[in-house]
Amino acid sequence: AQSVAQPEDQVNVAEGNPLTVKCTYSVSGNPYLFWYVQYPNRGLQFLLKYITGDNLVKGSYGFEAEFNKSQTSFHLKKPSALVSDSALYFCAVRAGWFFNKFYFGSGTKLNVKP
Amino acid sequence: DTGVSQDPRHKITKRGQNVTFRCDPISEHNRLYWYRQTLGQGPEFLTYFQNEAQLEKSRLLSDRFSAERPKGSFSTLEIQRTEQGDSAMYLCASTERLAGNPNTGELFFGEGSRLTVL
Repeated sequence: AQSVAQPEDQVNVAEGNPLTVKCTYSVSGNPYLFWYVQYPNRGLQFLLKYITGDNLVKGSYGFEAEFNKSQTSFHLKKPSALVSDSALYFCAVRAGWFFNKFYFGSGTKLNVKP
Repeated sequence: DTGVSQDPRHKITKRGQNVTFRCDPISEHNRLYWYRQTLGQGPEFLTYFQNEAQLEKSRLLSDRFSAERPKGSFSTLEIQRTEQGDSAMYLCASTERLAGNPNTGELFFGEGSRLTVL
């Protein structure tokens, strides 16, 4: 079965410090991995994706993510957090027959304090 | 480039009433997805379409739920005889399927339709 796990319900970080939001996955075959951000009462916005190639993927708003095949992880990172980064973050994997399904994690709430 | 639009953004209804949500995907996208999201949870897959064909429905979707995409463009999600447990955000998303390639594109989401059943 395909699945994504986000082990932390909440991550707290001070503004200016680096942040990491964790994600692990379980899929058969090659994983296509995604990160999304959601602000209150809004839809999900795409941040970045890993399909193949370089394990470090760069995305929107200064975010990046590191794909680690041996640890089946795809952690989201940012070198210096902003208060405006405070939001709900979702990891997702595209899998299934013809890669037609997206499976989402339960989300991690990021709190960045001034 | 207009994004995915959903209507209405908010709907308050009484238990037992029927509600319908509309989704207009990005125009060149031929795949359209519906998800449900409850507070503090990740999106749960409900159903998806390729063009006008509904290719899969989640077992979460009871027979009170029906979705259509009659001309392969906009889609509607109808909930009949609403229950309080139906209260949630209903999210629509679209993506394109590149013929002959693995599907690697990301989903583009609308702003969602929030349903409150009293």
